[in-house]
Amino acid sequence: DVKVTQSSRYLVKRTGEKVFLECVQDMDHENMFWYRQDPGLGLRLIYFSYDVKMKEKGDIPEGYSVSREKKERFSLILESASTNQTSMYLCASKSTSGSSYNEQFFGPGTRLTVL
Amino acid sequence: AQSVTQPDIHITVSEGASLELRCNYSYGATPYLFWYVQSPGQGLQLLLKYFSGDTLVQGIKGFEAEFKRSQSSFNLRKPSVHWSDAAEYFCAVGASGTYKYIFGTGTRLKVLA
Repeated sequence: DVKVTQSSRYLVKRTGEKVFLECVQDMDHENMFWYRQDPGLGLRLIYFSYDVKMKEKGDIPEGYSVSREKKERFSLILESASTNQTSMYLCASKSTSGSSYNEQFFGPGTRLTVL
Repeated sequence: AQSVTQPDIHITVSEGASLELRCNYSYGATPYLFWYVQSPGQGLQLLLKYFSGDTLVQGIKGFEAEFKRSQSSFNLRKPSVHWSDAAEYFCAVGASGTYKYIFGTGTRLKVLA
C-alpha cells in the first residue's frame, strides 16, 4: 500500500516562528502536493512539485515556500507563521503510471495552530 | 472558470437509508472525476474515480457514482448507509496532462441510528 506520512499530527507555534512541515511518500511518485483545508473552503492547493527540485505555486502560495531535495520528501515552510495560517495541512502524492494512475494519495494531515 | 460544486454542505440520513451526494463541475477539458472520503481527524481516502468508459463507476465500501456529461454531474450513491459512513465527502476534478485538481467544498454526512 502507498503510504504518505506527515511529521506531526498536531503542532502549536507562535507568531513569527519559522515552521517546517515534512511529508514523506514511499511509492516513488513523481508528483507531490501541499494543501490547506479550512471549514467551508474545501482543499486549497498551496504548492506542488512535479519532480525533484521542481516546484510550482498553487492557488494560495503567499506566506509559504517548499523544498523537494529528494523524490520521497516534500517540505512546506512557513517563513514567519501568522495566526491566519492556523489550519489543517494535507500532503498528497500522485502516481503518473500504473493502476493508480492520476490518483492522489493523502497523508493524515497536520493540524497547525499559530498563537 | 473551472469549478466543482457540492451544493449540500450537510446531509443527514438514517442508517439503512439510501444516499446520494451531488457534485457538479465546470471544466474545459474532458474531466477525470474523483470522490474522496475523510473521517474525522484523518486524511482523504479515494472512494472511486472516473476517467473514461462505463459511466457508472463502482468504488470501495459499496459506493458508486454516475458520470452524466450532459448534466456535468458526478453524483455519489450508496443503496444502504451504515453508521460508519459518517464522514466528509469531497468531489474532485482533474484532467490528463494537468497536475492540479480542483476540490469541492465537501459534504458532511451524519448517520442516525
